[in-house]
Amino acid sequence: DAGVTQSPTHLIKTRGQQVTLRCSPKSGHDTVSWYQQALGQGPQFIFQYYEEEERQRGNFPDRFSGHQFPNYSSELNVNALLLGDSALYLCASIGTGDYEQYFGPGTRLTVT
Amino acid sequence: GIQVEQSPPDLILQEGANSTLRCNFSDSVNNLQWFHQNPWGQLINLFYIPSGTKQNGRLSATTVATERYSLLYISSSQTTDSGVYFCAVDPGYSTLTFGKGTMLLVSP
Repeated sequence: DAGVTQSPTHLIKTRGQQVTLRCSPKSGHDTVSWYQQALGQGPQFIFQYYEEEERQRGNFPDRFSGHQFPNYSSELNVNALLLGDSALYLCASIGTGDYEQYFGPGTRLTVT
Repeated sequence: GIQVEQSPPDLILQEGANSTLRCNFSDSVNNLQWFHQNPWGQLINLFYIPSGTKQNGRLSATTVATERYSLLYISSSQTTDSGVYFCAVDPGYSTLTFGKGTMLLVSP
């Protein structure tokens, strides 16, 4: 049973650039959420995708956008990168009717 | 939004000791999960426990939903238990709000 996968593992970008992170949900799951974890903090909810639409959104600017594909995989895009966007980005998935969320290994983004 | 507070923020133990981590939350929840974050950042599911008590080996958890708190017990701690423990709650939108975590260090 494949768990949640994310790519890439690490990424270094320059301020002002754009980045795309990818996530494949756990087998049988159809809902994907993205979280940002700054150093020393707990993860913070960015947004959630279900049926290829954004269903919930946390307190993040429009520079953060996403997409969900028909196979339930998802992308997180961040435009005009700021130094403060440096963080671990975590993807989580859940199945319809379930309550327990499962997380991927994360993508560590460094903005210089 | 819902608030989640974890205590203590840091904990240092000798191998073999027992510990209790606490999570308080400010509103009723549909879901409460405990996670262990390893040094590489992976969040490992420990318990899904919106109410009641569960046990898994040396770990157990209890959630008293009516009083809005949860406890994670670690018995006979091992060095591999070191890391950050997070409590996260879902008020009903299938999204999780995390506490700031408890950093546990178990020394040999």
